[in-house]
Amino acid sequence: DAKTTQPTSMDCAEGRAANLPCNHSTISGNEYVYWYRQIHSQGPQYIIHGLKNNETNEMASLIITEDRKSSTLILPHATLRDTAVYYCIVRVKSNTGKLIFGQGTTLQVKP
Amino acid sequence: DARVTQTPRDKVTEMGQEVTMRCQPILGHNTVFWYRQTMMQGLELLAYFRNRAPLDDSGMPKDRFSAEMPDATLATLKIQPSEPRDSAVYFCASGLGVTDTQYFGPGTRLTVL
Repeated sequence: DAKTTQPTSMDCAEGRAANLPCNHSTISGNEYVYWYRQIHSQGPQYIIHGLKNNETNEMASLIITEDRKSSTLILPHATLRDTAVYYCIVRVKSNTGKLIFGQGTTLQVKP
Repeated sequence: DARVTQTPRDKVTEMGQEVTMRCQPILGHNTVFWYRQTMMQGLELLAYFRNRAPLDDSGMPKDRFSAEMPDATLATLKIQPSEPRDSAVYFCASGLGVTDTQYFGPGTRLTVL
């Protein structure tokens, strides 16, 4: 699976959009981009995933660049409860279940 | 809403003791994963099952760890004998298939003294 690069930490004001970048310049054509987050003392929580088209669900939007070498997770109206570590994971949807978690981005939402 | 449950939530034990952690996957999910999280190593996959059969346990120390699924509603992870370096949070996750989204439980925090 391709390696991802994320900033170590970011701040965001409550109510504003949080834009979390992820670089995956070695991504292959059959690799999906997944985002999970982990709120302190809880298990990781699935947010969204995509292959090449932009995706949106009730939690977030995922914007993938045309060359697929990077992506951005957007939380449109961040709240204090969105403070967490956000993991960007690139994964082949094949016969393997392995999710390789990097260090992620610690997002601090401030009042 | 449907959730993965894990018991116990916290476990403190002494070195050399047997530890058993339990996981109840979301009903209908046929794939179960075990992860371990430490400050030093982050989240690591230990093993996973599909339809109760082990698919990959290469991330698990074989001499002391064992993972089983006695039935479709219960997965267990055992450590015997436990060592202080096993102290970590152990997460179970389940999914509809190996390639499907994984849904995580709240974890078992294990402390081995």
